[in-house]
Amino acid sequence: EIVLTQSPGTLSLSPGERATLSCRASQSINSVYVAWYQQKPGQAPRLLIYGASNRATGIPDRMSGSGSGTDFTLTIDKLAPEDFAVYYCQQSGSLPQTFGQGTKVEIK
Amino acid sequence: QVQLVQSQSEMKKPGASLNISCKASGYSFTTYFIHWVRQAPGQGLEWMGIINPSGGGTSYSQKFQGRVTMTRDTSTNTLYMELTALTSDDTAVYYCARATNSRGYLDYWGQGTLVTVSS
Repeated sequence: EIVLTQSPGTLSLSPGERATLSCRASQSINSVYVAWYQQKPGQAPRLLIYGASNRATGIPDRMSGSGSGTDFTLTIDKLAPEDFAVYYCQQSGSLPQTFGQGTKVEIK
Repeated sequence: QVQLVQSQSEMKKPGASLNISCKASGYSFTTYFIHWVRQAPGQGLEWMGIINPSGGGTSYSQKFQGRVTMTRDTSTNTLYMELTALTSDDTAVYYCARATNSRGYLDYWGQGTLVTVSS
């Protein structure tokens, strides 16, 4: 099973700042199979990024993904009030599919 | 528009079984795979398995093997997930989510079904 470790666990930032979220895999992953999701309290997760760097429909361009191999990053430029949430990375290339434990982006 | 509408919240006793439905609409039902993901209170996301609505083929996480069954009804465009021998550790929100293939990303999610297991 591929373990995804996200860091930091919590990110305390102010609106307008940049958020950099890390996702490290226990073994190399084809970047095609890496996705990022956002989840707000009481809501289902929402797809943000697929294929490591492709924005899903309707996702603003202040959100971007990058990485390869075992290290992947989600960057949110100029945090907007609606960006404060929990973010999960996921790998879907190997079974069982796995998610990271999440990074909470909170208002400082 | 694409919608995945899940059944309502349930309360179960330990040892019982749960059966959650997920009704799909707004797209070609047999073209997309459906995954089941759960989330215990205050915890992260856990992948349970996948079903191909076209032929009904399934693949389950080893953690749930023997306890989970995923099925579909093509006449009503509805997916079902049964989990047996429930314990308090199965208390969670259960989600169905759509993917373009068995290894695809999850682009649409159901609203979630809260299942509480308690004596």
